[in-house]
Amino acid sequence: SQQGEEDPQALSIQEGENATMNCSYKTSINNLQWYRQNSGRGLVHLILIRSNEREKHSGRLRVTLDTSKKSSSLLITASRAADTASYFCATDAGGNTGKLIFGQGTTLQVKP
Amino acid sequence: EAQVTQNPRYLITVTGKKLTVTCSQNMNHEYMSWYRQDPGLGLRQIYYSMNVEVTDKGDVPEGYKVSRKEKRNFPLILESPSPNQTSLYFCASSSFPPGFQGSSTEAFFGQGTRLTVV
Repeated sequence: SQQGEEDPQALSIQEGENATMNCSYKTSINNLQWYRQNSGRGLVHLILIRSNEREKHSGRLRVTLDTSKKSSSLLITASRAADTASYFCATDAGGNTGKLIFGQGTTLQVKP
Repeated sequence: EAQVTQNPRYLITVTGKKLTVTCSQNMNHEYMSWYRQDPGLGLRQIYYSMNVEVTDKGDVPEGYKVSRKEKRNFPLILESPSPNQTSLYFCASSSFPPGFQGSSTEAFFGQGTRLTVV
């Protein structure tokens, strides 16, 4: 079952613009993570936000979490061509299970 | 260098011929897991392991087996592969399981194994 669903599925912007991706999930969570994947390669961890946090920053990344709406957003500011990739949110399944559930991802293209 | 190593990177095999995809991590992580990635379906968890000799099913375990005899290795076994198991497979490891509320549960991913079953 898909816990996380991401919106939009694809996003195309110009270099220097901001990119916003959204993720919704269904069950209670302890953490929500964002990953980046360059075409066909392994995923790289970007940022983790805990259920008791509302906002977190890391460099040009800003993540928000609204547990009442079961949603999160990832903002990439001042985008670069090198940010072109697919971005995935991932949540635990709540409790103490080892399940990690990914969204279907947003494909971001940043045009130089 | 901290890494998760999968082998092979590419594999073409025939239906029914048993195969094993190996996964090894050098970070002394307790938690390891396997995923498959298919177009339009994202990443789906196949199996995970919380520690040595402790494994459990993810969302799509049918047709797969795993074992965790040592902390560093977590092989994925396809006893009788079928064409619907053609996919891109990823192994990942982390210090703690995804829902752990303490320290970071950042997962490190291998580079992937592209499997084609004909």
